[in-house]
Amino acid sequence: EAGVTQSPRYAVLQEGQAVSFWCDPISGHDTLYWYQQPRDQGPQLLVYFRDEAVIDNSQLPSDRFSAVRPKGTNSTLKIQSAKQGDTATYLCASSSRYEQYFGPGTRLTVL
Amino acid sequence: SQWGEENLQALSIQEGEDVTMNCSYKTYTTVVHWYRQDSGRGPALIILIRSNEREKRSGRLRATLDTSSQSSSLSITAAQCEDTAVYFCATDENNNAGAKLTFGGGTRLTVRP
Repeated sequence: EAGVTQSPRYAVLQEGQAVSFWCDPISGHDTLYWYQQPRDQGPQLLVYFRDEAVIDNSQLPSDRFSAVRPKGTNSTLKIQSAKQGDTATYLCASSSRYEQYFGPGTRLTVL
Repeated sequence: SQWGEENLQALSIQEGEDVTMNCSYKTYTTVVHWYRQDSGRGPALIILIRSNEREKRSGRLRATLDTSSQSSSLSITAAQCEDTAVYFCATDENNNAGAKLTFGGGTRLTVRP
């Protein structure tokens, strides 16, 4: 069974640039999560979906971050006008019950 | 203890030693997840303990949960070099839409040969 896949694996931007992260969850998993993990910290939930519906996006900086999962399968997280403080690894996870399965993450550096 | 700490704590031990990592949480939870994260990879669940279990074992791993003190621990017996990783506890705000995890700051464990 294929795991959660993410792309790209790395991204380097100048402040003010935009970037998109893509996630392909495990087939059949109805719940998809996006986390931000700053260096040397634990993952922090940004947003999660059940099928195509947003369940909780309260931690998503809505002025610059957006996330969609239009068909209830793949998902895209986008940052408009990135800031240095956005430097982190962005993790995608999927689940069908209690256990969350994580992808390898996208390591973002904003210069 | 890793809860409430935003940054990683660090532990270094010799191969063959036992080690315990502690986690204190602030909000009510019905389950504590323990995840392991290897360098360059996403976290992976290693053990999950529910509120009706005081102890859970998996191989050389042992997790405990004390809901009265809102704390959990993860012990590794006879640690090996391959146990070197970052370990996180996470509490679960379970609701009808699925598990919503809140992670602690983590413990970076180094096992020296």
